[in-house]
Amino acid sequence: DADVTQTPRNRITKTGKRIMLECSQTKGHDRMYWYRQDPGLGLRLIYYSFDVKDINKGEISDGYSVSRQAQAKFSLSLESAIPNQTALYFCATSDLGGINTGELFFGEGSRLTVL
Amino acid sequence: AQSVTQLGSHVSVSEGALVLLRCNYSSSVPPYLFWYVQYPNQGLQLLLKYTTGATLVKGINGFEAEFKKSETSFHLTKPSAHMSDAAEYFCAVILSGGYNKLIFGAGTRLAVHP
Repeated sequence: DADVTQTPRNRITKTGKRIMLECSQTKGHDRMYWYRQDPGLGLRLIYYSFDVKDINKGEISDGYSVSRQAQAKFSLSLESAIPNQTALYFCATSDLGGINTGELFFGEGSRLTVL
Repeated sequence: AQSVTQLGSHVSVSEGALVLLRCNYSSSVPPYLFWYVQYPNQGLQLLLKYTTGATLVKGINGFEAEFKKSETSFHLTKPSAHMSDAAEYFCAVILSGGYNKLIFGAGTRLAVHP
């Protein structure tokens, strides 16, 4: 089983619908992240959380919200989806800094299409 | 502000040829630099990283990268490409402030042909 699991893997929805992408991890990491990937733009950080009580906005948080339900679970919500939110979304985790600084562990991605 | 630029969105090489993927960064403080690889339909995985110490770092699958401060570069190389190296490669820099946030480049898609 994957260490970082994302559901759903693929979703097609309509403009205005509410969508939730879920992420769970078995690595025991405190830090979790949501990124979106767009062709030619690389990955951009949406939200990140360093523990259950800590939620922070990333570069492109407008139109998104998150919930850290437990150390192992971090959900991303689109309250009212719009077409330009069509993208590949990745959840990632990391250990504390130090020698592990910058080493993120990624899920396999959730492909979202908003019509 | 910190950013990372990858030169060339697509690179094509022959099997057995040298692989060179270019990455330049801008940073006001000594950076931490990374290369990640994304195989088709998969998430990203760490290939190698530079934090401190030796400027030539070796990663998995025969890849290596050299941190050159004077050139603000961190190019990725492999002496001999293999078909299995076909993937998208992302250079990334750590955001200063100790928050472990990565800033990614736009990516370079590597194609390897027989």
